[in-house]
Amino acid sequence: EAQVTQNPRYLITVTGKKLTVTCSQNMNHEYMSWYRQDPGLGLRQIYYSMNVEVTDKGDVPEGYKVSRKEKRNFPLILESPSPNQTSLYFCASSSRLAGGSYEQYFGPGTRLTVT
Amino acid sequence: AQSVAQPEDQVNVAEGNPLTVKCTYSVSGNPYLFWYVQYPNRGLQFLLKYITGDNLVKGSYGFEAEFNKSQTSFHLKKPSALVSDSALYFCAVRPYRDDKIIFGKGTRLHILP
Repeated sequence: EAQVTQNPRYLITVTGKKLTVTCSQNMNHEYMSWYRQDPGLGLRQIYYSMNVEVTDKGDVPEGYKVSRKEKRNFPLILESPSPNQTSLYFCASSSRLAGGSYEQYFGPGTRLTVT
Repeated sequence: AQSVAQPEDQVNVAEGNPLTVKCTYSVSGNPYLFWYVQYPNRGLQFLLKYITGDNLVKGSYGFEAEFNKSQTSFHLKKPSALVSDSALYFCAVRPYRDDKIIFGKGTRLHILP
């Protein structure tokens, strides 16, 4: 089954404790992206990656890091989480070959609470 | 700044009536346009997209969207609403020659039985 998986699905942590949210896709997609969803703000893009070892900032990259060492994986790293990073996070992937249309497949989401 | 606007936080429609969820955008060049739907406690699902060609695009679950270049709009429509259409709808745009994706804030659609 084609899918994007994220782990963990729920996470409660404390300020300053480094964490990683994993994302994996099994569709051989080139493009992967992280978003955060906040009430009243919709989805905002954090980082995206066009392919292995190619990453770029979205609209809200501050406080986040990513890496793309393998095509299927795109982990999101919060080195020193703060309460304002409490949010619902989504990973997404798409084929770069789809006429450039970047129709995305989304993971189920990770609800992060930073206290 | 490039942006996407969904002017209505919530839209209420009676079952069986036509529905419209509005989206306007402000980006340079000719963008790629998308609609996604989010059901409670789920990720987003792709509904439809506009790349080029016919201004009326048909998608999943009977939805369609009309691209209007002069008004920079991409409104989502359905001729006859179902209660099961109740969800959160997002408009998104990929600006021309850009790899970023910009989402609107979302519109919650309530279909009343």
